[in-house]
Amino acid sequence: KAGVTQTPRYLIKTRGQQVTLSCSPISGHRSVSWYQQTPGQGLQFLFEYFSETQRNKGNFPGRFSGRQFSNSRSEMNVSTLELGDSALYLCASRKYRGRDLDTEAFFGQGTRLTVV
Amino acid sequence: AQSVTQPDIHITVSEGASLELRCNYSYGATPYLFWYVQSPGQGLQLLLKYFSGDTLVQGIKGFEAEFKRSQSSFNLRKPSVHWSDAAEYFCAVGAGGSNYKLTFGKGTLLTVNP
Repeated sequence: KAGVTQTPRYLIKTRGQQVTLSCSPISGHRSVSWYQQTPGQGLQFLFEYFSETQRNKGNFPGRFSGRQFSNSRSEMNVSTLELGDSALYLCASRKYRGRDLDTEAFFGQGTRLTVV
Repeated sequence: AQSVTQPDIHITVSEGASLELRCNYSYGATPYLFWYVQSPGQGLQLLLKYFSGDTLVQGIKGFEAEFKRSQSSFNLRKPSVHWSDAAEYFCAVGAGGSNYKLTFGKGTLLTVNP
């Protein structure tokens, strides 16, 4: 069974540009969450999508947005990139167990974004 | 709101020695607790989890963790460390109901000396 797949693995963008990252969850998983990992702030929750709806959101500016498609794949977009957006962006998927989502999250390999 | 503290930023052990990584959490109720491991440039791999029941949980790669409610701790242990265990280890709390999210500690970097 394939794991969580994130593309691309590496990106270099220029300040002011925008970027879109993609995440395909484990087959059958319907929730996708996004996390930002930086040396200074550690791992921080960005947002979660379930059934194409944003379910929860962390404390990030509106430049960070996301969406989820009917096949559960998710994209994250960052507009007007800043140097501080350089980070490893991780997505995680959770399985729906009939009444609610499982509490266990499975992570992808991440997308390393460098803003220059 | 939940929080996680990993007091040790960096730990060095010799191969074959025992290991204990500390984790303290703050949450109003019994949380869901996890330990993840991250190798350089890689994503997070789940080592083990605690939801309820037996407070000593077994995970993959020979790791175990003990939940102590009175100390708000969830320490990770391994009796004999292998060189391949060198990585960064993250403790996480899952909480929030419909606003569920994982809150991570800052991580502990493990170096294994031959």
